[in-house]
Amino acid sequence: DIVMTQSPDSLAVSLGEKATINCKSSQSILYSSNSKNYLAWYQQKPGQPPKVLIYWASTRESGVPDRFSGSGSGTDFTLTISSLQAEDVAVYYCLQYYSTPRTFGQGTKVEIK
Amino acid sequence: QVQLQESGPGLVKPSETLSLTCTVSGDSISNNYWSWLRQPAGKGLEWIGRIYSSGDTNYNPSLKSQVTLSVDTSKNQFSLKLSSVTAADTAIYYCAREATSVGYPYYFDYWGQGSLVTVSS
Repeated sequence: DIVMTQSPDSLAVSLGEKATINCKSSQSILYSSNSKNYLAWYQQKPGQPPKVLIYWASTRESGVPDRFSGSGSGTDFTLTISSLQAEDVAVYYCLQYYSTPRTFGQGTKVEIK
Repeated sequence: QVQLQESGPGLVKPSETLSLTCTVSGDSISNNYWSWLRQPAGKGLEWIGRIYSSGDTNYNPSLKSQVTLSVDTSKNQFSLKLSSVTAADTAIYYCAREATSVGYPYYFDYWGQGSLVTVSS
């Protein structure tokens, strides 16, 4: 299984400031034949299912605000919220879909400082 | 708009079989990949397995001995059975669709709201 490790486990950021979440995979999730990284980012608010924000490591899902961006390649990835809003308080997960079983990071809780 | 809805008992006794059904609307269950995932309270997400509309399945090895997935294309539904449950199987169970391209499954793009299943006598 590919192990996904996120850091930090939680972070508190002031409104309007930048939040950065890291995700590391135990092996490369870059598929050489198409040069795509098989990584997605999800946002989960209390009582709701996860919602996809980013896929292919950096492609924003339709309707997701452009303050959310994804970067990275191979084994190291980052989700950045450029200017934190109150509605961004949530737990964020990375997912690898390079292989089965699909595996998630343990989650990062984002709060307002 | 694709919608998924889980249904089934909210309470299951230890050693019995947990059964859930996911009803899909707004999309045909055919030619798609459909997954089950779960999330214990306050914890992370675990993929249980997936089924294709043809009935082909992939299971998480950690749960393979307990899990059976099935699909009913006439009802646009797919189902999960988890046998010999214990308290450790208490969780919110989600059904989800995997986005596909050229016939390959990728990330989960649509999710149900989740169904809380408690294992207790």
